[in-house]
Amino acid sequence: QTVVTQEPSFSVSPGGTVTLTCGLSSGSVSTSHHPSWYQQTPGQAPRTLIFSTDTRSSGVPDRFSGSILGNKAALTITGAQADDESTFYCVLYLGSGISMFGGGTKVTVL
Amino acid sequence: EIQLLESGGGLVQPGGSLRLSCAASGFTFSSYGLSWVRQAPEKGLEWVSLINQYGNTYYADSVTGRFTISRDNSKDTIYLQMNSLRAEDTALYYCAKRDTSGRYYFTNWGQGTLVTVSS
Repeated sequence: QTVVTQEPSFSVSPGGTVTLTCGLSSGSVSTSHHPSWYQQTPGQAPRTLIFSTDTRSSGVPDRFSGSILGNKAALTITGAQADDESTFYCVLYLGSGISMFGGGTKVTVL
Repeated sequence: EIQLLESGGGLVQPGGSLRLSCAASGFTFSSYGLSWVRQAPEKGLEWVSLINQYGNTYYADSVTGRFTISRDNSKDTIYLQMNSLRAEDTALYYCAKRDTSGRYYFTNWGQGTLVTVSS
């Protein structure tokens, strides 16, 4: 059973930098998994941040960036702001129409 | 403006059935795939199902054999027929538009419809 792994939580200081990762229980993440990232605040629908590993969705500030780091996908927030406090989810495409979400990383800015 | 409006949620007993709808607007509906994604209370997001622009369907293991996704291009609407419902199916169900250019991500989201499975 394939599992997409994310850190449960991270804390970052205002103006600081944090890197969230997205891994696979069985193997490495590559661009062929088309990693995408979504931001969700309580009571709200998800918002699309990053797709195709490193492409920002329309209107997403450039303090959000995506990459592959080692064997994982990564989302880096540079210059964190208070309203970045959210839960961030990655999605990997596993082929044959199947997508899988990670468990989400709750980011606290303090 | 792209809009996705889910409906059909409600309270249902274990073993019961429910049909969700997602009405779309603001894009050429027949050219895009759409997915259902759910979120149990205080839990993370879970991909449930996809119907692509050709009508091919795909399901998460957790719902295979119980849920059926379909689309009506004349009504710009997709559906999720949910049978043999279990307590663990309780969740907010989101409709999400899928990218069609081989980039496999969700471009737009609805606000969700709540399904509660309880006796």
